[in-house]
Amino acid sequence: LAKTTQPISMDSYEGQEVNITCSHNNIATNDYITWYQQFPSQGPRFIIQGYKTKVTNEVASLFIPADRKSSTLSLPRVSLSDTAVYYCLVGDKNFNKFYFGSGTKLNVKP
Amino acid sequence: EAQVTQNPRYLITVTGKKLTVTCSQNMNHEYMSWYRQDPGLGLRQIYYSMNVEVTDKGDVPEGYKVSRKEKRNFPLILESPSPNQTSLYFCASSPPGSQPQHFGDGTRLSIL
Repeated sequence: LAKTTQPISMDSYEGQEVNITCSHNNIATNDYITWYQQFPSQGPRFIIQGYKTKVTNEVASLFIPADRKSSTLSLPRVSLSDTAVYYCLVGDKNFNKFYFGSGTKLNVKP
Repeated sequence: EAQVTQNPRYLITVTGKKLTVTCSQNMNHEYMSWYRQDPGLGLRQIYYSMNVEVTDKGDVPEGYKVSRKEKRNFPLILESPSPNQTSLYFCASSPPGSQPQHFGDGTRLSIL
């Protein structure tokens, strides 16, 4: 199970684009990368998942370089409500065992 | 409404008194899992179940038991709780081999 490393915290201001990078040097060929968001006292919520290159949905983009040893979650034009902890997970397609790590606490300021 | 329901949401109890935290999902998901969350440690997986009668250990299974007799329910059992099991617990479910996991609202356990 590949471990992940993320910055402990990040600060941003409303309206800015935020990029959170996750390092996963031991990612395996069959592993996918998934990001979750968690607000205080709530369960995590799925944001986005990808295998390579770029994935985009209505809330975020996920950039994965060719070597797949890292990935970057991009949140466009953040608002105060994006203040949360963001987790990067790596696992094979079966995704039975999960390693969430400590996540990145994003603080969005007015 | 699709949801994962945990009960109780809060519990204060004493060392050694057996307790069960229930988890139920209404999405007909095969996969269910339990996590604990502690400050600075993120979420750590306790047990997971790929289907009825199929369970396996996560990263921190010591002191916990689970059972999966029905697809919708996945209770977490603490036979003899200890203070180091004081934590915030989350149950989650998903289709097999798939994301996203749907999480419950959490159960905060305090063991004195």
